[in-house]
Amino acid sequence: DTGVSQNPRHKITKRGQNVTFRCDPISEHNRLYWYRQTLGQGPEFLTYFQNEAQLEKSRLLSDRFSAERPKGSFSTLEIQRTEQGDSAMYLCASSPPIVVRQETQYFGPGTRLLVL
Amino acid sequence: AQSVAQPEDQVNVAEGNPLTVKCTYSVSGNPYLFWYVQYPNRGLQFLLKYITGDNLVKGSYGFEAEFNKSQTSFHLKKPSALVSDSALYFCAVRDSTGRRALTFGSGTRLQVQP
Repeated sequence: DTGVSQNPRHKITKRGQNVTFRCDPISEHNRLYWYRQTLGQGPEFLTYFQNEAQLEKSRLLSDRFSAERPKGSFSTLEIQRTEQGDSAMYLCASSPPIVVRQETQYFGPGTRLLVL
Repeated sequence: AQSVAQPEDQVNVAEGNPLTVKCTYSVSGNPYLFWYVQYPNRGLQFLLKYITGDNLVKGSYGFEAEFNKSQTSFHLKKPSALVSDSALYFCAVRDSTGRRALTFGSGTRLQVQP
């Protein structure tokens, strides 16, 4: 399967612990996105990378959240000092280089985080 | 600020009947519009998009959507529903400027009864 992959698929942690999620985009996709989805809601944008540059950040991305894409390939999303409100599905998406009409973001299966 | 409204939390339709899932949007400038489908405990699967051109867009699994600029709508349609179409459907929008963030609606659950 050559789609977006995310690891782990599920994570249970205790409040106050740090967690890190990984996203591997579709090969040759230079744009990568993180979204958060809570139960009963649509996904909410967190951040966007073009190659290794983080170009957009949502106000949702508090100081406890940090995302990296050091070599322009895979990305990591770290949450420090987790809170129960961080419990959600974290979705990663990727899209190809800018070409007319090629605006589609392709999503991975997500990482479901539960903070106890 | 851009926004999406999906006014129906759930749509029920009998198998074989046509279905419509409604979406209206608000965005500065020209919109890029998308429909995604989500099955339980899965990520989002892309169905179709409108960027420019024909107002009627055809996508995967027999779905189509019509872009209506005057009504700022992008309703999802299918002529004949299948039980396997039962899922959660999301409409999303972004503007045509350099920002890449998608804004999603709250989703509509489609239930197709056999």
